[in-house]
Amino acid sequence: DVKVTQSSRYLVKRTGEKVFLECVQDMDHENMFWYRQDPGLGLRLIYFSYDVKMKEKGDIPEGYSVSREKKERFSLILESASTNQTSMYLCASSSPQGEGLDEQFFGPGTRLTVL
Amino acid sequence: GESVGLHLPTLSVQEGDNSIINCAYSNSASDYFIWYKQESGKGPQFIIDIRSNMDKRQGQRVTVLLNKTVKHLSLQIAATQPGDSAVYFCAENGGTSYGKLTFGQGTILTVHP
Repeated sequence: DVKVTQSSRYLVKRTGEKVFLECVQDMDHENMFWYRQDPGLGLRLIYFSYDVKMKEKGDIPEGYSVSREKKERFSLILESASTNQTSMYLCASSSPQGEGLDEQFFGPGTRLTVL
Repeated sequence: GESVGLHLPTLSVQEGDNSIINCAYSNSASDYFIWYKQESGKGPQFIIDIRSNMDKRQGQRVTVLLNKTVKHLSLQIAATQPGDSAVYFCAENGGTSYGKLTFGQGTILTVHP
C-alpha cells in the first residue's frame, strides 16, 4: 500500500523561528510536491521536485525553501516563520506514467500555527 | 459547480440520491484530469481520473464526464452515502511535465441521512 508520511500532524511555532516540515514516501516516486491549503483558496503549490537535488518553484514560493537530498524525502523549510504562514501543509508524490497520467498521492497534512 | 480559481460551493443531498459536482477548467492544454476527495483532517484521496481522449469514465459508484469543447468536468456519485460527505477537488495537469497539477478550490458535499 502506497504511503506518504509527514513528520507532524500539528505544529505550533513562534514568529521568526525556522521551521522544518518533513515528508517521506515509500513508493520510489520521482516527483514530490509541497502545497499549502487555506479555506476558500484550495491547494496552492509551493515547490516541487522531479529528482534528487532538483527543485522548481511553484505558484507561491516566497518565504519557503526546500531540500531533496534523498529520493524518498522532501523537506519544506520556513526560514523565518510569519503569522501568514499559518496553514495546512500537504505533501504529495507521483511517478511519471507517460501520456499525462500523473496521479499524486498525498500525506495526511501538517497543520502549522505560527504565533 | 466549482471553477479553478473561484469560491467554494456547497452541495447538500439526501442519502441515496445521486450527486453531481461540477468543475470548469481554463487551460485548454490540459490532457489529464483527476477528482480527489478530502475528508476532514485528512489529505486528499484519489477517486477517479480521465484522459482527454475520453469523454466518460466509470468507477465504483462514480462517473467522470469530460466536455473539452466547453472545458467542463463533472463527477457523478450514485446512491450517495453519508460517508461520501467531504470536500471534492478537481485537478488538471495543464499539459505540463513533471506531474504538476492545478487544483480547483473544491466543493463541499454534505449527505443527510
